[in-house]
Amino acid sequence: NAGVTQTPKFQVLKTGQSMTLQCAQDMNHNSMYWYRQDPGMGLRLIYYSASEGTTDKGEVPNGYNVSRLNKREFSLRLESAAPSQTSVYFCASSGTGTGGQEQYFGPGTRLTVT
Amino acid sequence: GENVEQHPSTLSVQEGDSAVIKCTYSDSASNYFPWYKQELGKGPQLIIDIRSNVGEKKDQRIAVTLNKTAKHFSLHITETQPEDSAVYFCAATTTNTGNQFYFGTGTSLTVIP
Repeated sequence: NAGVTQTPKFQVLKTGQSMTLQCAQDMNHNSMYWYRQDPGMGLRLIYYSASEGTTDKGEVPNGYNVSRLNKREFSLRLESAAPSQTSVYFCASSGTGTGGQEQYFGPGTRLTVT
Repeated sequence: GENVEQHPSTLSVQEGDSAVIKCTYSDSASNYFPWYKQELGKGPQLIIDIRSNVGEKKDQRIAVTLNKTAKHFSLHITETQPEDSAVYFCAATTTNTGNQFYFGTGTSLTVIP
């Protein structure tokens, strides 16, 4: 049981390049999330998927797209990276309903855009 | 939407003393309140949580209290140890919002040996 896994762990991009961050969970959770964390700013929600087949914007969606590939996988894509997207990205998943709301985080992807 | 405020932003305590971190929330529909510990270079780790039908929950040296009337909840760490040093986040959520979580801005706790 690996929990939430993310790839890659580190990435350096040049402005304008694109990339996809991968996330997978093996806890049979319905909901998955992408957050970014900047120094001193806590966690900000980019996109989330309440259940397979649905995605919704969070607080800071501009410049990102997501795909809920199946129940296990939720990817985050940067189409044209900008220096402002330099951050640490965390994927998370949670169950739903009574007794199943615990949210668990992956180890993070540290992205630098030059 | 929900708004979660967390205080203090930084906290230093002597080893063995207690630490208390407080959060307030705005949406009375929120029904689940987790606390996370984040160590340097790692993802947030769930350490304790409480649901709206319970007023207090304990797990060894950590406890969480919830006051639904006042819309605030607190994390209590007793007999602090240097390994408790980390950033702590509170959060609130309700199934009515598609399970979206709302986070506080974090408290950096330093335990001085």
